[in-house]
Parts: sequence; structure tokens; C-alpha cells
Amino acid sequence: GDSVTQMEGPVTLSEEAFLTINCTYTATGYPSLFWYVQYPGEGLQLLLKATKADDKGSNKGFEATYRKETTSFHLEKGSVQVSDSAVYFCALSDLGGAQKLVFGQGTRLTINP
Amino acid sequence: GAVVSQHPSWVICKSGTSVKIECRSLDFQATTMFWYRQFPKQSLMLMATSNEGSKATYEQGVEKDKFLINHASLTLSTLTVTSAHPEDSSFYICSAADVNTEAFFGQGTRLTVV
Repeated sequence: GDSVTQMEGPVTLSEEAFLTINCTYTATGYPSLFWYVQYPGEGLQLLLKATKADDKGSNKGFEATYRKETTSFHLEKGSVQVSDSAVYFCALSDLGGAQKLVFGQGTRLTINP
Repeated sequence: GAVVSQHPSWVICKSGTSVKIECRSLDFQATTMFWYRQFPKQSLMLMATSNEGSKATYEQGVEKDKFLINHASLTLSTLTVTSAHPEDSSFYICSAADVNTEAFFGQGTRLTVV
């Protein structure tokens, strides 16, 4: 079946550091790929998405590119802020929309001032 | 984005009792709701998909008699953990979606069975 693998956390960085959270996937078809973020005490929020190969999703300074050849969707941000501290989930959906999702295990990110 | 409210945020119950968790879409109609379970340091695992007015579709390995799901209206779905045991302790998360929209997530419910 479909699966998503994320780099294990927790990840701790200093403010303004460069961030990469790795995500690779296994799927039989051509899934849509997503990054979700969960801030403390809140529900998951869609951060960005890409629906086909070579698409780049971006939001709030975060970017991820759908790489079909490496089956990857790594999350990057050039300069992180303390407010980016959260848990980040990579996910895929075979159904096109972000409805029935397969999640990675989540990566806890802490940014220190 | 749209708001999905999950209640309660946390609950402690005694072994053998049943617990009901509610998931409400506050400002949109949710034709489909999803229930996930998350174990510590693991990913969210889809338990079941429910469509308003019909029986839920459970994922392989999920006991439908253990985890009762009701989606009686376009804004409310409930998950009832029946005869709960300590191994049912987990974080349960719902999401809700309308036709052809993304799913919006509730904040989750932490269940502890003692």
C-alpha cells in the first residue's frame, strides 16, 4: 500500500537557520502530495500542496517540490522563525483532493531565539 | 479556512466504559468525515471514512463494533469507543470535507483509559 516516510525528529534550530525536512513516498499511482502543520493545541492545517510532478508548493516562506524521479517532497524554508515551531506532517492522497490521506509520522520542529 | 471543532479535547475513562467523541463542522457542510488515530511518535492512521446518512467504511484491521461511527447530519459525526481498554488510549483526530474540497481537521482528542 501507499506510505510516507519522514525524517525523524525532533529537529531543533536557531532562528534564521535553513530548514529541510525530508519526505519520501511510495504509491502505486500519481498521488497528490501535502505538507500539514500542527501548532500546539491546534488541529492540522494545510501548509502547501503539489498535485503533479515538478509542481512546487509554497506558503509562508515554505517550499516543497514534487520529485517523481526520487519520490520525494522535501520541505524547505530559508530562514525559520520561532513561530514556525510546530509538528510537520507530510502526506499523500491517491484521490486527487486532500481528503483521504496517508501521513508520515510527523517531525517536531523547535526554533530557538 | 473552515473550522472543525472536536470535543472533548481530552478524556479519561475507566476500563470497560464507552466514550463518545464529537466532530463538528462549524461553518460548512461536511459530506464526508474521516477519523484518524495517532500513536505516540507515529503517523496518523486512517480508521474510517463516513458519509452523511450512510454507514462508515472502515479500514482494514479496524474493529467496527469497537469503534462506532455515526454521521447523522452534514455537520456532525461521532466516534464511540465501546468497552474501552487501556490499549485504546490514543490521540483521535477527525477531519471534514465537502465535495471536491480539502479536508479540515479538528484539534484532536486525547483518550486515556485507566
